Amino acid sequence: NAGVMQNPRHLVRRRGQEARLRCSPMKGHSHVYWYRQLPEEGLKFMVYLQKENIIDESGMPKERFSAEFPKEGPSILRIQQVVRGDSAAYFCASSQIAGGGYNEQFFGPGTRLTVL
Amino acid sequence: LAKTTQPISMDSYEGQEVNITCSHNNIATNDYITWYQQFPSQGPRFIIQGYKTKVTNEVASLFIPADRKSSTLSLPRVSLSDTAVYYCLVVRMEGNTPLVFGKGTRLSVIA
Repeated sequence: NAGVMQNPRHLVRRRGQEARLRCSPMKGHSHVYWYRQLPEEGLKFMVYLQKENIIDESGMPKERFSAEFPKEGPSILRIQQVVRGDSAAYFCASSQIAGGGYNEQFFGPGTRLTVL
Repeated sequence: LAKTTQPISMDSYEGQEVNITCSHNNIATNDYITWYQQFPSQGPRFIIQGYKTKVTNEVASLFIPADRKSSTLSLPRVSLSDTAVYYCLVVRMEGNTPLVFGKGTRLSVIA
């Protein structure tokens, strides 16, 4: 039973380019979360998605960032026109269908984005 | 969600018991205390969760006093491989809610 998969693990982009980060949740999980982590900091929530729906994007920057979780395929976090400040580790987590109570979030290994 | 406060760093020798205390003065009735562990270059991993009194699993114990305004994560007989950042989180028991991470406690285990 594979865990949460993220690719690529490392991504280098020049300023102004686009970055696409992919996340495949654990089997049977239909909820995906994206978090961003700057060096020496804790993870900061960005967006929460279910299949084909954005549930909470309160942590997402208003411009250049978008996320999707299509019916088929991985969740995608897209950053357009990257700037040096976007350099960070981006983590994806998944959880099961809500059924009352706490659904543990399982994290992937992260994608480390470096903007030159 | 209640804000959490925990030490920035701790050092310990191998074989010792390590206790990391977290304060969450404004915890609500339907909030749980949850701890995650993060190794360098990896995503966080769930360690333990509790509501009150004591919870124990194969990795750690969690002690929560009656007023629930603080909690203590206890790691028995740490080894070098326990060197990591430990995050104390307050989690709302309403299904799938985003997690709120602080800076965590950086534990360094020394041989």
